[in-house]
Amino acid sequence: GESVGLHLPTLSVQEGDNSIINCAYSNSASDYFIWYKQESGKGPQFIIDIRSNMDKRQGQRVTVLLNKTVKHLSLQIAATQPGDSAVYFCAEKGAGDYKLSFGAGTTVTVRA
Amino acid sequence: GAGVSQTPSNKVTEKGKYVELRCDPISGHTALYWYRQSLGQGPEFLIYFQGTGAADDSGLPNDRFFAVRPEGSVSTLKIQRTERGDSAVYLCASSDRPSGEQFFGPGTRLTVL
Repeated sequence: GESVGLHLPTLSVQEGDNSIINCAYSNSASDYFIWYKQESGKGPQFIIDIRSNMDKRQGQRVTVLLNKTVKHLSLQIAATQPGDSAVYFCAEKGAGDYKLSFGAGTTVTVRA
Repeated sequence: GAGVSQTPSNKVTEKGKYVELRCDPISGHTALYWYRQSLGQGPEFLIYFQGTGAADDSGLPNDRFFAVRPEGSVSTLKIQRTERGDSAVYLCASSDRPSGEQFFGPGTRLTVL
């Protein structure tokens, strides 16, 4: 069977390694998903988004994977850097909707 | 250009007091949103403005919370008779259209003693 990544509240990663952050969503009607990065004392910052008609999208050093069958989303960060240390949130919204529903965050700590 | 700004950055008040939190959206953004973020959790939707009107206030927890946006730009979130459970970071976001990317401000950290 297909494995589904577990959501972990914290992730410690060695600088230079790849990071994978997982998120499960509950609303089957959601058709737009976003990953946000939030540093201490700041608001969430957009990283990358994906629509439900896609299963993969790549940005600069980041890749988002969407598995609608099991309602799972992941964010992969390549060659993790100290500046990547933050809390990462996935968010979703439905077609034509405007309000975001955020998942539980994952705190990523990059070890030098 | 300037992003979303929020004032004050920190607000400490006593239980039962009234507070106002201000949001200045990105210039020209017609959609404005308020979210509340409790410690260790993701933001939760409170209210959405399209222009001057509150299009959706379903996230406001009770009638002690109210928000206005009289000229379709700056918005003020008002909390009456504050309670300790209101302590949180209040985030504002704006977008150039309802389905557009939401840009968040730094938030106002409210502490109710």
